[in-house]
Amino acid sequence: SQQGEEDPQALSIQEGENATMNCSYKTSINNLQWYRQNSGRGLVHLILIRSNEREKHSGRLRVTLDTSKKSSSLLITASRAADTASYFCATDDPQGGSEKLVFGKGTKLTVNP
Amino acid sequence: NAGVTQTPKFRVLKTGQSMTLLCAQDMNHEYMYWYRQDPGMGLRLIHYSVGEGTTAKGEVPDGYNVSRLKKQNFLLGLESAAPSQTSVYFCASRKGRTDTQYFGPGTRLTVL
Repeated sequence: SQQGEEDPQALSIQEGENATMNCSYKTSINNLQWYRQNSGRGLVHLILIRSNEREKHSGRLRVTLDTSKKSSSLLITASRAADTASYFCATDDPQGGSEKLVFGKGTKLTVNP
Repeated sequence: NAGVTQTPKFRVLKTGQSMTLLCAQDMNHEYMYWYRQDPGMGLRLIHYSVGEGTTAKGEVPDGYNVSRLKKQNFLLGLESAAPSQTSVYFCASRKGRTDTQYFGPGTRLTVL
């Protein structure tokens, strides 16, 4: 079953705008990760945030985590056409020994030039 | 480092045929995973391994078998392919249970 659910399912913006994607999950976690997938390619890790962290930055990416609401958001600032991709959140499964990640269905981001 | 590689990249099978997908990683990772990705379904875990000689079932294991005889390789087998197994298959690995996962480029499988 899906642990993380991204919202929205699809997002279309203009180059230069900010893009925000959200992820909600159901059970407690040790960490949450965001991945990116370009069309027809494998997933690439973007950022990992641990349950005791509230915010993390990496270049134009900003991730927040609210464990009380069981939600996370990924903000891409000053978007570029090259940011067009699908973005997935993934959570670990502490009850299962955190041996595996559970991925959401993803948000498909289109950045128009 | 090549990272995570998958063989083959594409394959077309007829219903009932068998095949093996090979995943190899050169990062000395303990954990390895096989996922399938279908439109609108996201990534679903088929089987995984937490170390050489170990395997465990994921979310959708039926119709698949795996083996991890060597630490660097994780094989996914389809004994009798069905059209429902048409999908893109991704392999991934990671060093430890709190680390990030590295993905292979994927294998696009079509079962006619």
